[in-house]
Amino acid sequence: AQKITQTQPGMFVQEKEAVTLDCTYDTSDQSYGLFWYKQPSSGEMIFLIYQGSYDEQNATEGRYSLNFQKARKSANLVISASQLGDSAMYFCAMREGWSGSEKLVFGKGTKLTVNP
Amino acid sequence: KAGVTQTPRYLIKTRGQQVTLSCSPISGHRSVSWYQQTPGQGLQFLFEYFSETQRNKGNFPGRFSGRQFSNSRSEMNVSTLELGDSALYLCASSLAAAGGYTDTQYFGPGTRLTVL
Repeated sequence: AQKITQTQPGMFVQEKEAVTLDCTYDTSDQSYGLFWYKQPSSGEMIFLIYQGSYDEQNATEGRYSLNFQKARKSANLVISASQLGDSAMYFCAMREGWSGSEKLVFGKGTKLTVNP
Repeated sequence: KAGVTQTPRYLIKTRGQQVTLSCSPISGHRSVSWYQQTPGQGLQFLFEYFSETQRNKGNFPGRFSGRQFSNSRSEMNVSTLELGDSALYLCASSLAAAGGYTDTQYFGPGTRLTVL
């Protein structure tokens, strides 16, 4: 069963505007972590932001914030003031607490294009 | 601190051959995970090594194997290559100090394998 769903294959945003990338997840575990990664065309996965299932505050890292709605099982990434360099694939990933390993399960990704 | 390094960056092999990919984690990181990324299947977990022991394994045939050395460096091997093994192979490392779901994985630039 797919555990991470990213429903937007592609998104377009104007430079300097904000954009929200959607992510919903499915788990029966109470303890889990949610991660967002950016993958430019070069291929390297760049860690952006982390949210733990017990964190009461939404995570923020610079221009990135995570809109965490636990009851809805969603963890949307918000990028404020988009820059041309933000054009890339974005992946949402989850690690379940029971797994006892570092395994991440990824969504299919969203391709973000920032227009000048 | 140096990031995760992977060698080689690009590799071209023919069907039936075998290949070995190398990954050096961030200094102090004890866990190394491997992922396969293809356009059709997305990012899939191959296996994870922690303290020289395989801690978790994804749903891949036995042709895919790996190991970890005492300095945490890891190698993965694919024997009897098939056309479908063409992919970007990503290595990720994490501290794995606390266990559970909070550790962040940091990825290397990947090895792009082409099987002809």
